[in-house]
Amino acid sequence: AQSVAQPEDQVNVAEGNPLTVKCTYSVSGNPYLFWYVQYPNRGLQFLLKYITGDNLVKGSYGFEAEFNKSQTSFHLKKPSALVSDSALYFCVPFYDSGYALNFGKGTSLLVTP
Amino acid sequence: NAGVTQTPKFQVLKTGQSMTLQCAQDMNHNSMYWYRQDPGMGLRLIYYSASEGTTDKGEVPNGYNVSRLNKREFSLRLESAAPSQTSVYFCASSEASGRPSYEQYFGPGTRLTVT
Repeated sequence: AQSVAQPEDQVNVAEGNPLTVKCTYSVSGNPYLFWYVQYPNRGLQFLLKYITGDNLVKGSYGFEAEFNKSQTSFHLKKPSALVSDSALYFCVPFYDSGYALNFGKGTSLLVTP
Repeated sequence: NAGVTQTPKFQVLKTGQSMTLQCAQDMNHNSMYWYRQDPGMGLRLIYYSASEGTTDKGEVPNGYNVSRLNKREFSLRLESAAPSQTSVYFCASSEASGRPSYEQYFGPGTRLTVT
């Protein structure tokens, strides 16, 4: 079974600084790992995913994530944060059946001007 | 192309009342899902439908029923609402069943309050 941990409930970053939202995983087999974002009072939106292949994955809105097998991590990064990046971020493992049982609590990102 | 739509956007029910949340997608997706989002609990899967004609329980199915009416529509029914079902409900769809590589597309949510 696959599971992930987002160790931080909240991350605070100043606008223009790099941001990192952490995710570590524990898996049996090959993980399918996704990042989703939820802006206030809206549904979730897909950001990026790792299925196989290149460990550095680039996604929407300038975000990227690196799949690190030795550290079992899939941290979300962006070189320069925007105030509009403030949102709730979910790291989600998908099972072979194609559904995610639990999106977890996510990490709240606050970017201040 | 509207994506995933949900109705209603808001609803207040009294304990014991019933209601159906509607969800439709126009992306010709095979799989559809219902989640609930509670503060401090994240999103939890209630039911999903891997393809038209099939439905399966997720993590928190008690108190709910679903119907995959056709390929486009997937409804969630609360037969006898309880205050514990106060939550925000999200419907989602994805292209292929049994294919975890496909991302899910979410609707805007229904905010339900049960008094």
